[in-house]
Amino acid sequence: QSVLTQPPSASGTPGQRVTISCSGSSSNIGSNHVYWYQQLPGTAPKLLIYRNSQRPSGVPDRFSGSKSGTSTSLAVSGLRSEDEADYYCAAWDDSLSGWVFGGGTKLTVL
Amino acid sequence: QITLKESGPTLVKPTQTLTLTCAFSGFSLSTSGVGVGWIRQPPGKALEWLALTYWTDDTRYSPSLKSRLTIAKDTSKNQVVLTMTNMEPVDTATYYCAHMESSYDSSGYYTNWYFDLWGRGTLVTVSA
Repeated sequence: QSVLTQPPSASGTPGQRVTISCSGSSSNIGSNHVYWYQQLPGTAPKLLIYRNSQRPSGVPDRFSGSKSGTSTSLAVSGLRSEDEADYYCAAWDDSLSGWVFGGGTKLTVL
Repeated sequence: QITLKESGPTLVKPTQTLTLTCAFSGFSLSTSGVGVGWIRQPPGKALEWLALTYWTDDTRYSPSLKSRLTIAKDTSKNQVVLTMTNMEPVDTATYYCAHMESSYDSSGYYTNWYFDLWGRGTLVTVSA
């Protein structure tokens, strides 16, 4: 059971906009930045969004992050086949004094 | 260019101690505001944070695994070593190390830490 809650799956057709949610509590998302990672099949996680909504260089602006209270979401617009991957949210948890991850969302491009 | 590479045994027996090494380049753990962490992922499951070390000697551990973990940095070798005692089959996973980035705030502290670059991971199987 992950501390951060994500839907196990999401899907969309090419060109669509898909949103993946991640909910937590006041000790993690509510008081700290959120990070999103993309994990393509058979590869290591790659940083997609940092500090709630910032994109590292090289990440397309089709990916965007937002946070409100104890929830956060990742939006993927203009969906492409190469976006098919697992997506994880992460945050520092003040109560646990450690990092917590979501259970991951498998994004399927139909 | 920052790179990290994990190495260690691919197979360990139950009750044995696992020792993993993260060899990195492109940064130094003697530089302020830098850290390295370990994260694992059982086959088909989610990511789980294990431990981290900062450029100081400060370390942090997952509360649920703290009694079994030790993380240590060797600045001269550009390595971070993770040991996990009393391995069990449920510890079968791909183990990743990752570089940690931070920001320097106006109060003179390094804050907003996060894992920005990951190694490719190493699969460790625990089986008799």
